[in-house]
Formats: sequence, C-alpha cells, structure tokens
Amino acid sequence: NAGVMQNPRHLVRRRGQEARLRCSPMKGHSHVYWYRQLPEEGLKFMVYLQKENIIDESGMPKERFSAEFPKEGPSILRIQQVVRGDSAAYFCASSPLPDITYEQYFGPGTRLTVT
Amino acid sequence: GEDVEQSLFLSVREGDSSVINCTYTDSSSTYLYWYKQEPGAGLQLLTYIFSNMDMKQDQRLTVLLNKKDKHLSLRIADTQTGDSAIYFCAERAGGYNKLIFGAGTRLAVHP
Repeated sequence: NAGVMQNPRHLVRRRGQEARLRCSPMKGHSHVYWYRQLPEEGLKFMVYLQKENIIDESGMPKERFSAEFPKEGPSILRIQQVVRGDSAAYFCASSPLPDITYEQYFGPGTRLTVT
Repeated sequence: GEDVEQSLFLSVREGDSSVINCTYTDSSSTYLYWYKQEPGAGLQLLTYIFSNMDMKQDQRLTVLLNKKDKHLSLRIADTQTGDSAIYFCAERAGGYNKLIFGAGTRLAVHP
C-alpha cells in the first residue's frame, strides 16, 4: 500500500505565477489535510477536505489560495499570483474514515520556492 | 487559544537518554502526538497518547503526560545517531479536524 504521494517534490515559481500542488492520499483514505511549514517553524494547518467537500478552511489565507478534492483524482492546492512569502514546504496528510486515534499520515511534502 | 511550545534544540551523547518537552494550552485536547522529521522528508508518526493516560511506553520511547500542567514529554532511551532529527509535538484540536504543531525540537546526537 503506497503512502501519501505528493508532486512535485520541488517547485520553483516566479512572483505572479500560479503554483499547483497535488496530493494523492493513501488508498482507502477519504480525508485530506494540507499544512504549510515555513522555514524553521512547525506545521500550520491550512484546510481539511473530504471528497468534493471543504470541511474546514480556517487556516487558509483569504486570498489567492484554494483547495479541492474532486471525486476522481488527487487533491489540489492552488496558489495564484505567488509572492516570496509563499515560499515554504507544503505537506498533505490523509486519514481513513475517522477512527478513535484520528491518525494522519503525511506525504513527503512539496517545497515551493518563489523567486 | 491553541498553542504548542517546545524548546528548539537538544544535544545529547550517543547512548544517553534524550528528553524532549512540550507544553500545550488546549485543555480539551484528547490526543497528543509526537512526530519525527528527518531532513528533506515528511513527518513520521512516532507515538501518541490519549489524554486520560499518564504514560505510554513503546520500545525505546516513553511518553509522559501531566494533564494538570499541560506538559508532555518524549524520552528516547539509548539515543542513536539515527535519532538525529526534528521532533514535533502536536495536539488534536478544532473539533478533531486539525493538528496544532509546536515549532519542533532539533535533536543532535554526537559520539
């Protein structure tokens, strides 16, 4: 059973371009979470999605950021008109139907660099 | 509000025990977690503890929870060079939808 897959692993964008980050959850997992890790900091929650639904987006910046988890295909985190402050590692995690431990399994991350 | 704090650095000698400390603020947290992150990698769940427990042991790892003081610790016995990594404490919050992470403790193991 493959783990959580994220691609690309590294992404370089110039200011003003769009960044698309993809996350394929573990097989059988229907819950996806996105976190952002700024340099030398811990992970900050961004958004929690189930298939075709955004459940909690309390950590998403109000502008330029959006996320989706379609019925088919990976979850996408989209950042429009990137700025240097968006440079960070973006981690996706998935979990199965909520169980007692609510364990989240993390992908390897996408490291976004904005030049 | 929700906040998790950790000391940033810890240096230990190979073979010694490491103790990484964490404090949290959300008294309603039901689960608390320790994750390990190696350079350039994602997070690996090491262990977790339920809030009605005081201690949990798993091979070389011992987790202690003081719920009154909202203090969590991770003890690694017989620390090895392969244990060098960043260790994150996290609490489950927000209606169980998200994890709140500390800034991470960088553990350096030297011979």
